[in-house]
Amino acid sequence: DIQVTQSPSSLSVSVGDRVTITCRASPGIATFLAWYQQKPGKVPKLLIHGASTLQSGVPSRFSGSGYGTDFSLTISSLQPEDVGTYYCQKYNSAPFTFGPGTKIDIK
Amino acid sequence: EVQLVESGGGLVQPGRSLRLSCEVSGFNFDDYAMHWVRQAPGKGLEWVSGITWNSGSIYYANSVRGRFTISRDNAKSSLYLQMDSLRSEDMGLYYCTRVNQFLVYDYWGQGTLVTVST
Repeated sequence: DIQVTQSPSSLSVSVGDRVTITCRASPGIATFLAWYQQKPGKVPKLLIHGASTLQSGVPSRFSGSGYGTDFSLTISSLQPEDVGTYYCQKYNSAPFTFGPGTKIDIK
Repeated sequence: EVQLVESGGGLVQPGRSLRLSCEVSGFNFDDYAMHWVRQAPGKGLEWVSGITWNSGSIYYANSVRGRFTISRDNAKSSLYLQMDSLRSEDMGLYYCTRVNQFLVYDYWGQGTLVTVST
């Protein structure tokens, strides 16, 4: 099975900071990679699919990139409402594995 | 408005069974594949199982294969997860998700909680 890892597992940042989370899938998955945001106590929300396509309604400060095995999610200027845990997920084929998550909080 | 409403969770003893349901509204259920995703208390998301629109293809995580059975009734706009031989590691919040045309989860239910304990 394809392994999906994320780094870092957590980070504490200031409002306005640029934040980058990485996700690695091995072996490669082309661009079959999605990012979800889960705010504390809430249901996960789709942010990005196809590695870089922003879901409708998601703020433009979120962006994704990558192909094959290495992917990243970037928040250009972190806002207080971005606090939560971010998960990547591969969906090229079963199993549709999630990464372990990256928890973001405010310094 | 798209809605996914899970039910059927509860407290069950190890080794026993539980059947989860997800009733949907606001879209044509039989146009979409559906998946179950779970989340143990304080832990990350874990994909559990998926089913195509016509039940033609079914998928399971290794951790549940042979114990869980996914099914759907398009006439009732409902998705199910039959969970047998439950273990403590099956505990958590079970989400029903809709798979959109890009093969990702654009709608999630609120989840139903499964507790496995004596």
